[in-house]
Amino acid sequence: GAVVSQHPSRVICKSGTSVKIECRSLDFQATTMFWYRQFPKQSLMLMATSNEGSKATYEQGVEKDKFLINHASLTLSTLTVTSAHPEDSSFYICSAALLGLRTDTQYFGPGTRLTVL
Amino acid sequence: EDQVTQSPEALRLQEGESSSLNCSYTVSGLRGLFWYRQDPGKGPEFLFTLYSAGEEKEKERLKATLTKKESFLHITAPKPEDSATYLCAVLGAGGTSYGKLTFGQGTILTVHP
Repeated sequence: GAVVSQHPSRVICKSGTSVKIECRSLDFQATTMFWYRQFPKQSLMLMATSNEGSKATYEQGVEKDKFLINHASLTLSTLTVTSAHPEDSSFYICSAALLGLRTDTQYFGPGTRLTVL
Repeated sequence: EDQVTQSPEALRLQEGESSSLNCSYTVSGLRGLFWYRQDPGKGPEFLFTLYSAGEEKEKERLKATLTKKESFLHITAPKPEDSATYLCAVLGAGGTSYGKLTFGQGTILTVHP
């Protein structure tokens, strides 16, 4: 299967600081990348969808000014959590997909554990 | 609205005891049904994609099947290393051209030696 990486895998920061998480598709060019967050013992919650070179589409209830997404190339997307607060602590996971006929599979990164003190 | 329900929520098996996980779905125009495995503290690992009723796919001890209303993940002679949360997701054709998945809540599988 395709390989997706995330960096960093774990980050601890102080309240009020901004944190950037990178998501890379290593062996394929992704038309679309997705950002999820996952709380303990819950399923994945989609935050936003991004396509290379265009603005991200955010899910209802997700603050676009707080969670900035940049999709600079077909292999790189970044999520920046601005002015992070303890309630932003969570497990953030990205996925990448080459969307099209019979190629809609999303491949997930290993996740980033964010802890805001 | 697309919906996915997985059962059971948790399943405990003895090593070698075969069983099945269920994923029931309602979707407006199925473009694909996906099975993932997730270990604690890690991202989901892709297992299978199924596109149409009657389709089956196998990988080692796992076999996924699909009907018009549900999918089964059959686990044959499981081993302790098969312990994980198994997630089912669907991609519908209705109005979402960017590939948004609808996930079930997952089945937590524990295989005891």
